[in-house]
Amino acid sequence: KQEVTQIPAALSVPEGENLVLNCSFTDSAIYNLQWFRQDPGKGLTSLLLIQSSQREQTSGRLNASLDKSSGRSTLYIAASQPGDSATYLCAVRPVWEETSGSRLTFGEGTQLTVNP
Amino acid sequence: DADVTQTPRNRITKTGKRIMLECSQTKGHDRMYWYRQDPGLGLRLIYYSFDVKDINKGEISDGYSVSRQAQAKFSLSLESAIPNQTALYFCATSAGTGDEKLFFGSGTQLSVL
Repeated sequence: KQEVTQIPAALSVPEGENLVLNCSFTDSAIYNLQWFRQDPGKGLTSLLLIQSSQREQTSGRLNASLDKSSGRSTLYIAASQPGDSATYLCAVRPVWEETSGSRLTFGEGTQLTVNP
Repeated sequence: DADVTQTPRNRITKTGKRIMLECSQTKGHDRMYWYRQDPGLGLRLIYYSFDVKDINKGEISDGYSVSRQAQAKFSLSLESAIPNQTALYFCATSAGTGDEKLFFGSGTQLSVL
């Protein structure tokens, strides 16, 4: 059974700092990995999706990397801002669900606070 | 307006009551999902549907049922609510194979007393 772990559970940094969030998964047979952001009282917003054949994806100040063989992904946030404060979740989709697209396994998230 | 809309946003009910949570989307996606989120357990899939005639159980479907009334509408029912169904419920959509990004509604906080 796939397990997804995110460490740390919470992180507090001063504004302007570059930071890295970690995601690890136990089964390397994945189809893709997504990073989401969750704001209080709101749903999840997809930030980046990395296919298993890719090493990284970038969007603005965000960069996500994937090392499938070691079961790890990182989300790098450059020049953090107070507006980045949220919970960040990663989710993996197994290879065997390639055609069904249903069974994402989510981590519990890292709660990020960026202090002004 | 939100692309994925869930109603109600909050609901408090009593054990044994029947509850329906509704989801509608304007994204034109075929695939729709219901998840629940619990502290310490993360998000878990309850049911999913790939089109109006397709309904599939997720990992925690016991105690729940769904109805896909149209491409844009997917409702979740608790036939007889129990306290351990207290959770934050999310509806999500995706376009399908080749574009697997999920789009979530804002959630329904359900409390069963």
